[in-house]
Amino acid sequence: QVQLQQSGAELVKPGTSVKLSCKASGYTFTSNHMNWIKQTTGQGLEWIGIINPGSGGTSYNVKFKGKATLTVDKSSSTAFMQLSSLTPEDSAVYYCARSGTTVAVDYWGQGVMVTVSS
Amino acid sequence: DIQMTQSPSVLSASVGDRVTLNCKASQNINKYLNWYQQKLGEAPKLLIYNTNNLQTGIPSRFSGSGSGTDYTLTISSLQPEDVATYFCFQHNSWPDTFGAGTKLELK
Repeated sequence: QVQLQQSGAELVKPGTSVKLSCKASGYTFTSNHMNWIKQTTGQGLEWIGIINPGSGGTSYNVKFKGKATLTVDKSSSTAFMQLSSLTPEDSAVYYCARSGTTVAVDYWGQGVMVTVSS
Repeated sequence: DIQMTQSPSVLSASVGDRVTLNCKASQNINKYLNWYQQKLGEAPKLLIYNTNNLQTGIPSRFSGSGSGTDYTLTISSLQPEDVATYFCFQHNSWPDTFGAGTKLELK
């Protein structure tokens, strides 16, 4: 079965960066795009961007360009998202989520809470 | 960006009730509309994709309909395990966008 296992919660200081991981299993990693999604109480769910694990090609929501960088490691079937120049407004739960063939987002990771605080 | 407006924001209903949740897009999204269920402390789960297609493993009491800008998720007979927040999501135009959610409670 499709599983997306995300890394653990992060407590980071303002101005620093953090790199989140999402290890995929149960399907061919390079056959499906991977999305990253932010969830906060105030802003709800926001789509950050998407990466094609086969080619490494990416597309970003304009709002998150310069904030998020998506990469993959095909050898370990793992997707990564680096968030830079962190501020308290970046505190959120971040999800990786697979794109199905015609479904857009189908399977989600369990989410990782990032807290930005000094 | 396409704005997705869900109504109501909170819905209280009884077990066995037929429940209808609404989602309105700010422009035509050509039926590229998904519904997700999120229980407290969990990740969202896909229920319906592309307006009216039931995801594998989802009970048949869930159904979706709509076209253009207006879409509906219906639960034919509410069960206690359906208590959750429900989000609509359009993937017709980038950036993909979500509604703010409808919180479904038991009366």
